[in-house]
Amino acid sequence: AQKVTQAQTEISVVEKEDVTLDCVYETRDTTYYLFWYKQPPSGELVFLIRRNSFDEQNEISGRYSWNFQKSTSSFNFTITASQVVDSAVYFCALSEAANQAGTALIFGKGTTLSVSS
Amino acid sequence: EPEVTQTPSHQVTQMGQEVILRCVPISNHLYFYWYRQILGQKVEFLVSFYNNEISEKSEIFDDQFSVERPDGSNFTLKIRSTKLEDSAMYFCASNNRDSNSPLHFGNGTRLTVT
Repeated sequence: AQKVTQAQTEISVVEKEDVTLDCVYETRDTTYYLFWYKQPPSGELVFLIRRNSFDEQNEISGRYSWNFQKSTSSFNFTITASQVVDSAVYFCALSEAANQAGTALIFGKGTTLSVSS
Repeated sequence: EPEVTQTPSHQVTQMGQEVILRCVPISNHLYFYWYRQILGQKVEFLVSFYNNEISEKSEIFDDQFSVERPDGSNFTLKIRSTKLEDSAMYFCASNNRDSNSPLHFGNGTRLTVT
């Protein structure tokens, strides 16, 4: 069965600190996709990144970076030099490629990040 | 940049009433979805829709729920007889032919059942 675990419910940091959000997933498929979404206080879901199971290269986008390790079934997200605007709930999600159409995303419970000035 | 549009942003309804949540997916997208997020909880998949039929649905999506694409642009979620536990944020999403391309979510409709 597919499952996404975000063990950190809440994290509080002070501006300019680095912070890592953990994500561990379970799937029986060899082909799958992993995602991170941000949900700011306004409530919308903002896509951050998608990674397929065959691409274990780490990715960096500005202050954001992602570390995908199949050996530990983890897809962790690091924010460098955090800012108050990074305060949000962050969701990790998994999609299995077995379905040909309309593949469901399975979300983790989310990690609430609070960045104070 | 094109976006998924949902209306209304907030709907209040009485228990037992029917409610229709509306969405306009991105125009060249072919796959449409509804997700639900009960306050403070995770986002849960309800249903996906492709080629005018449901392609996948979760156990949450029971007989009280239905979806429809009444015309070329709208995608609706109907809850036939609302219950208190249907109170949640409902997100519509769409993506293109690569079914694992990123989902583009709307801003959500907050449904409050009293």
